[in-house]
Amino acid sequence: EDQVTQSPEALRLQEGESSSLNCSYTVSGLRGLFWYRQDPGKGPEFLFTLYSAGEEKEKERLKATLTKKESFLHITAPKPEDSATYLCAVLLPDSWGKLQFGAGTQVVVTP
Amino acid sequence: NAGVMQNPRHLVRRRGQEARLRCSPMKGHSHVYWYRQLPEEGLKFMVYLQKENIIDESGMPKERFSAEFPKEGPSILRIQQVVRGDSAAYFCASSPGTAEDTQYFGPGTRLTVL
Repeated sequence: EDQVTQSPEALRLQEGESSSLNCSYTVSGLRGLFWYRQDPGKGPEFLFTLYSAGEEKEKERLKATLTKKESFLHITAPKPEDSATYLCAVLLPDSWGKLQFGAGTQVVVTP
Repeated sequence: NAGVMQNPRHLVRRRGQEARLRCSPMKGHSHVYWYRQLPEEGLKFMVYLQKENIIDESGMPKERFSAEFPKEGPSILRIQQVVRGDSAAYFCASSPGTAEDTQYFGPGTRLTVL
């Protein structure tokens, strides 16, 4: 069965303390991996799309990387406004756009 | 450039009533997806539609739930005879074309069943 697992479940960081979130997947034949952030009471906000192993994408303090088994979201020198739940999703093979989401990592950045 | 729009944002229904959730995709997008987020659970795919066609409804419960995306107007997710277990946040996403395109999400409709 295709699985997407995110770790850790929760992460508490001091402002400026860099860290990484992990998303591991068992899907064979990856067609796309997506990162979103979700604030309480809001819809997921798109961050990155990665399609092939070795690919990297960067935006402000966030950087996403992809290997054949997992993806990392690196947060460099986070600020309190980076506090959110970060979601990873994989495009399932043989599907017409069905995303399978991980449970998310809840990040809290304190001043 | 408006994003994905959903209404209502909050919906309260009593058990046995019907709930209708609406989604207008981003301009230029012809693919619509519905996901459900139950309390303390992750997002789960429900259905994928293109204009006037249901492409994949493998994640939608067989009974009481239906979805449409007419030629004109928004996509509608309809839940008949709601039960307390239907209480959740329902999110709509849209994409421009191929399956590999990024899906952009709306703000969601929070359904509460009393």
